[in-house]
Amino acid sequence: AQRVTQPEKLLSVFKGAPVELKCNYSYSGSPELFWYVQYSRQRLQLLLRHISRESIKGFTADLNKGETSFHLKKPFAQEEDSAMYYCALNLVGFQKLVFGTGTRLLVSP
Amino acid sequence: DAGVTQSPTHLIKTRGQHVTLRCSPISGHKSVSWYQQVLGQGPQFIFQYYEKEERGRGNFPDRFSARQFPNYSSELNVNALLLGDSALYLCASSFSIPSSYNEQFFGPGTRLTVL
Repeated sequence: AQRVTQPEKLLSVFKGAPVELKCNYSYSGSPELFWYVQYSRQRLQLLLRHISRESIKGFTADLNKGETSFHLKKPFAQEEDSAMYYCALNLVGFQKLVFGTGTRLLVSP
Repeated sequence: DAGVTQSPTHLIKTRGQHVTLRCSPISGHKSVSWYQQVLGQGPQFIFQYYEKEERGRGNFPDRFSARQFPNYSSELNVNALLLGDSALYLCASSFSIPSSYNEQFFGPGTRLTVL
């Protein structure tokens, strides 16, 4: 079955520390992977998609098909990065997006 | 453009009742998707509509139904409400069928409480 796993419910770091939010997926097809972010009192919004291979707000994510992972990384966390982060898998051909349970990132000063 | 809008914001119903949730997509967007988000969980896919046709369905009972209108707005209907239907219901729109090339934009959600 298709599944997205985010093992950490909460990740707490200090400002300036590196951050890695883990995401593993289970899917037999060709994956399309995304990271969504939800800041306090704001809507869920797209942060990154694996095809773009770009850095957004200092975050990057690399698709590793061998390890079936799509971890989100940032070298130096900022307080404004505090938010809920969701990893999501698009099942091409089935028109559905499968979300993980989310990781709350808390960046302390 | 105000983005994706949803109504109502909050709703309280009792078990066995029926509810209708509404979604207006971003102007020009022809696809609407519905998600259920239970507290502490990620959004779970319910339906996807494109050009007024159902294109995708998640693992939800037949009590859940939806439709998309000619102006691309959408309704989600839930019959015979159960306590477990209490959740935040999210609507998302995209220009075409969601993919890596067609970003989904989410609405603020409708908070449904079933007593």
